[in-house]
Amino acid sequence: DAGITQSPRHKVTETGTPVTLRCHQTENHRYMYWYRQDPGHGLRLIHYSYGVKDTDKGEVSDGYSVSRSKTEDFLLTLESATSSQTSVYFCAISEPGQGFIQYFGAGTRLSVL
Amino acid sequence: DAKTTQPNSMESNEEEPVHLPCNHSTISGTDYIHWYRQLPSQGPEYVIHGLTSNVNNRMASLAIAEDRKSSTLILHRATLRDAAVYYCILDRGRASGSRLTFGEGTQLTVNP
Repeated sequence: DAGITQSPRHKVTETGTPVTLRCHQTENHRYMYWYRQDPGHGLRLIHYSYGVKDTDKGEVSDGYSVSRSKTEDFLLTLESATSSQTSVYFCAISEPGQGFIQYFGAGTRLSVL
Repeated sequence: DAKTTQPNSMESNEEEPVHLPCNHSTISGTDYIHWYRQLPSQGPEYVIHGLTSNVNNRMASLAIAEDRKSSTLILHRATLRDAAVYYCILDRGRASGSRLTFGEGTQLTVNP
């Protein structure tokens, strides 16, 4: 998985609780992304980062926040989880010199009950 | 962002070539054509990308129409391991990073 580690791999939580998902990379890639994938659908971009402390919203950012305090870590936080945020979350990385090819992690399966 | 259109599903036999089509009639001059695939229970995996010319790599070939309004991903000899959802995606590779927009893709079934 191109030096990308997502943690946890599985999580079950209750509605209203905060949840933080972590993406860690060992590739020193500049760009990092968080996507979600729901059954039968393609991935949708939540937030992305183009450098340390530089982040921007994606297509489905409501209810999510992100932080990137160092190159290797990109955190996705659900401030107050809802059942609609039950999904599989994928982290990806890319580097401009490599044609913006994105490399994906193995995913985190989150269930909000 | 320009959209792509792909068939929902395709079927192939093992060791035969597979041609996966993609229409992108509203593509802009700076859009790259990317193909990713997703095997069951895994994250997407990069396959190939191109701008104007046909491209080959160890996984596949990408044939791009002269007007760039369509492209075809070619798997030269399908294996059972190639059974996956294949996504055709346009991306501009902005200075702020690429932002891939995944559609529903084509589910490829490979028969033994």
